[in-house]
Amino acid sequence: RKEVEQDPGPFNVPEGATVAFNCTYSNSASQSFFWYRQDCRKEPKLLMSVYSSGNEDGRFTAQLNRASQYISLLIRDSKLSDSATYLCVVMAAAGNKLTFGGGTRVLVKP
Amino acid sequence: GAGVSQSPRYKVAKRGQDVALRCDPISGHVSLFWYQQALGQGPEFLTYFQNEAQLDKSGLPSDRFFAERPEGSVSTLKIQRTQQEDSAVYLCASSTILRGVYNEQFFGPGTRLTVL
Repeated sequence: RKEVEQDPGPFNVPEGATVAFNCTYSNSASQSFFWYRQDCRKEPKLLMSVYSSGNEDGRFTAQLNRASQYISLLIRDSKLSDSATYLCVVMAAAGNKLTFGGGTRVLVKP
Repeated sequence: GAGVSQSPRYKVAKRGQDVALRCDPISGHVSLFWYQQALGQGPEFLTYFQNEAQLDKSGLPSDRFFAERPEGSVSTLKIQRTQQEDSAVYLCASSTILRGVYNEQFFGPGTRLTVL
């Protein structure tokens, strides 16, 4: 079983709609959580950190549920430019290495 | 300012050849990471340097993989006797190191290695 699991999608989303997806992680000692965005044939870029209280950045809302060990990302008012692969990322308490999920592909269509 | 750069961007190797992949981190970044990303998968950790010290190499898949960062800046990932399963994008990332906060890892564009 992989440490971080995501639905690979694709999630086909009409422009302007809301889409949400989760990931689960297996290491209960994980301390930090992030969503990265990766465009086709490009490098991953940090989208947002995820905090226990939940956090919002514009149209993006991230939630963390430590008890159930899952992280969610919600995108409101989807734009064509939101089409990308969203990588769920976990960092353990010790060390700095990031553990990535396999990514969820989102396709926003007009 | 300049981001993380990697070279070559594309490398085609015949099975059994040795390859060397270079990473130039952001100037002043103490931490440097290598990740391997297979097609359709998320990146997987290979190794981590803090300055010139290789603090974690737990992700290197075999003893054919070797990384170095002799002067604490540029790093090279070397793969000996390449195999087809080594075909992947090799990503380098760098970050600062401030205690108590997450130090964002900035990724380079990657080197796409194809082993024939």
